Amino acid sequence: EAGVVQSPRYKIIEKKQPVAFWCNPISGHNTLYWYLQNLGQGPELLIRYENEEAVDDSQLPKDRFSAERLKGVDSTLKIQPAELGDSAVYLCASSLRGGSDTQYFGPGTRLTVL
Amino acid sequence: GQNIDQPTEMTATEGAIVQINCTYQTSGFNGLFWYQQHAGEAPTFLSYNVLDGLEEKGRFSSFLSRSKGYSYLLLKELQMKDSASYLCAVARGSTLGRLYFGRGTQLTVWP
Repeated sequence: EAGVVQSPRYKIIEKKQPVAFWCNPISGHNTLYWYLQNLGQGPELLIRYENEEAVDDSQLPKDRFSAERLKGVDSTLKIQPAELGDSAVYLCASSLRGGSDTQYFGPGTRLTVL
Repeated sequence: GQNIDQPTEMTATEGAIVQINCTYQTSGFNGLFWYQQHAGEAPTFLSYNVLDGLEEKGRFSSFLSRSKGYSYLLLKELQMKDSASYLCAVARGSTLGRLYFGRGTQLTVWP
């Protein structure tokens, strides 16, 4: 069974440019998560989807970040415009349902903003 | 946020046993997860405890004491490939689906 797929794996952009990350969860998983991980830190939740509905986006900086999961399967996270402080790893995870179901993570996208 | 505390770094030698501790303070506790993360890779699930006691899974075991807000991950017969960051994460009932992660413990296993 394929795991969580993310692309690209690495992205380097200049500040003020837009950037988008894509995630395809494990087949059949209804819940999808986007996390941000800074170096030497644990992941922090940005947004959680139950099917196509964003049910927890309280930590998403909505002035520059947006996300969508239109058909309840794959998802896109966008930053526009990017700032230097956005340099981090963006992890996508999925679980069968929400609650305390085990979350399975993708390899992440490492973003560098110059 | 949640107060989740774990040591920043630990070292051990091949074949040894190491215990990684995690303490937490949270309301509405709904379980504790341990993940392993190799550098540049995805966190991978190791264990989940929601009741007090020890869960054993091969060379890895995880313990939970809810009254003390304490968990540990025990790694036996250490191998070089166990060198990684170990992340403790807490789930809360009031924010189901959100995991609160500690900073991770970087374990280095020496030959």
